[in-house]
Amino acid sequence: AQSVTQLGSHVSVSEGALVLLRCNYSSSVPPYLFWYVQYPNQGLQLLLKYTSAATLVKGINGFEAEFKKSETSFHLTKPSAHMSDAAEYFCAVTRNTGFQKLVFGTGTRLLVSP
Amino acid sequence: DTGVSQDPRHKITKRGQNVTFRCDPISEHNRLYWYRQTLGQGPEFLTYFQNEAQLEKSRLLSDRFSAERPKGSFSTLEIQRTEQGDSAMYLCASSFLAGGLSDTQYFGPGTRLTVL
Repeated sequence: AQSVTQLGSHVSVSEGALVLLRCNYSSSVPPYLFWYVQYPNQGLQLLLKYTSAATLVKGINGFEAEFKKSETSFHLTKPSAHMSDAAEYFCAVTRNTGFQKLVFGTGTRLLVSP
Repeated sequence: DTGVSQDPRHKITKRGQNVTFRCDPISEHNRLYWYRQTLGQGPEFLTYFQNEAQLEKSRLLSDRFSAERPKGSFSTLEIQRTEQGDSAMYLCASSFLAGGLSDTQYFGPGTRLTVL
């Protein structure tokens, strides 16, 4: 079985500050990991993915995440927050072969203040 | 490549009515997924097609739910005798899997269902 835990349902930062959104996973098989972003009343947009190549993954809009097997973590970071980053962020895990349904965390809402 | 599209974007219905949603995947994507997202939660898997074959169904998918993907192109999700608990955002995603590589899913904008 696979699961994802996102610590903190809400994270508030000031514009220009570091963004850190936490994700810990559980998986009995080697995982693939994803971060998606969702703006209000919209679908999910892929930010980045880990598929067992480089452990530091760079995505769109300046986001990156590091896969740490020893810590079972895949935290999302961005050096400098923009107002436009305010949204809901979801971490998801799937297995690396066969049927690959995504198992999502409960999400973290990022609030960016001026 | 126009992305995944879903129709309608919003649906309001009365309890007991039937509703049908449509999803058009990215062309040539061979896998199609349906997820349901309730307020304040992450999406939950409902069902999955590879081409026209429905290969997996979640236990969340009660007998009132049925999904089809004729000819391996667009897909429909029907809910019969809707209940207030069916109110949610229904998301469709598609992907192309080849050579055992990662199955990156691209999501549509969703259909928000409200059951009164």
